[in-house]
Amino acid sequence: GDSVTQMEGPVTLSEEAFLTINCTYTATGYPSLFWYVQYPGEGLQLLLKATKADDKGSNKGFEATYRKETTSFHLEKGSVQVSDSAVYFCALSDQDTGNQFYFGTGTSLTVIP
Amino acid sequence: GAGVSQSPSNKVTEKGKDVELRCDPISGHTALYWYRQSLGQGLEFLIYFQGNSAPDKSGLPSDRFSAERTGGSVSTLTIQRTQQEDSAVYLCASSLRGRGRRTDTQYFGPGTRLTVL
Repeated sequence: GDSVTQMEGPVTLSEEAFLTINCTYTATGYPSLFWYVQYPGEGLQLLLKATKADDKGSNKGFEATYRKETTSFHLEKGSVQVSDSAVYFCALSDQDTGNQFYFGTGTSLTVIP
Repeated sequence: GAGVSQSPSNKVTEKGKDVELRCDPISGHTALYWYRQSLGQGLEFLIYFQGNSAPDKSGLPSDRFSAERTGGSVSTLTIQRTQQEDSAVYLCASSLRGRGRRTDTQYFGPGTRLTVL
């Protein structure tokens, strides 16, 4: 069945460091891929998405490229800030399974000044 | 409304009591989802509504859990005879078209933190 596997945390980085959070997926069809972010005490917010192979989603300095050949959607940011401290969830939605959403377990990121 | 809203934001209850959690989806969104997020865990799918009907209830953990949606809008998740293991953050999300449609994005509410003593 469909699933998402993402890098386990927690991840701790210094401000201005480079961030990569790995995400790989398994899907029967051609899914859309998402990154959601959950700031402390808040619900999930859509960070970025990509709907087809080689698409790049970007928002707030974060980027992720839909790689069909490696079934990956890794999240990257060139220079993290303290305000980026949050939990990041990778997710997929697959039309072949009726657009059911599958979420990864989340990766906690803490950025220290 | 501008976004998905949930109430209450926090609920503390005693074991054995019933609780009702409310979700107001984004206006015009036909699909509504409930998830549970336990401490340090990912999201656990509970139930999905398309309009007022629930074609997928597969995630409800026991018959103590039920949900309804009226008028294609507001949804209520009810937990009867609460247990300590029910303590979690309950998240609601809505989307424009729902399952079986073209690419759809789920928008989440802030959640209800339930604590069962």
